[in-house]
Amino acid sequence: AQSVTQLDSQVPVFEEAPVELRCNYSSSVSVYLFWYVQYPNQGLQLLLKYLSGSTLVKGINGFEAEFNKSQTSFHLRKPSVHISDTAEYFCAVKGRNSGYALNFGKGTSLLVTP
Amino acid sequence: EAGVAQSPRYKIIEKRQSVAFWCNPISGHATLYWYQQILGQGPKLLIQFQNNGVVDDSQLPKDRFSAERLKGVDSTLKIQPAKLEDSAVYLCASSLAGTGGLNEQFFGPGTRLTVL
Repeated sequence: AQSVTQLDSQVPVFEEAPVELRCNYSSSVSVYLFWYVQYPNQGLQLLLKYLSGSTLVKGINGFEAEFNKSQTSFHLRKPSVHISDTAEYFCAVKGRNSGYALNFGKGTSLLVTP
Repeated sequence: EAGVAQSPRYKIIEKRQSVAFWCNPISGHATLYWYQQILGQGPKLLIQFQNNGVVDDSQLPKDRFSAERLKGVDSTLKIQPAKLEDSAVYLCASSLAGTGGLNEQFFGPGTRLTVL
């Protein structure tokens, strides 16, 4: 089975500052990794995913993440955040041979203030 | 392109009552998922359909939860009887079939259930 730990439940940051949301995973098999964003009262939206190839993955809205197999991490970063980035961010993992189910972390609440 | 539709958006019921949620996936999406998102936690998969067949329902509490997708399009999720711990947001998602589940899952806005 696979599991995800999001190390920070809340991350406050000022507008235009850089941000990193941390995600570590645990799995006995190779994995695929995802980041989703959830704006208030909305469903989840895929930000980016790592399937294979380059370990640096670029997503929508200027976000990127780096897959680090040795540290079993998939941290999400953005060099300069906007007020509109305020949302809940979920890291998710899927084992390469474990069917279709995504296993989500508990989420990190990003709060961007002026 | 229309997204995943869910109704109702909000529901408040007393414990031991029944409730049903409806989901209409994106047109052409063969795979449909129901997730439960308890406050402060990430979504947890309850059940997954491929067309009208169940692919995975290992985390569905079958003594009180049921789901169906009779014609391979719309789906309903039912809870009978509800317990306090069922208070959560129920998310429906859909995706194209195939490629081992790597197709992007598109999520609906969810139904927020409060059990009193």
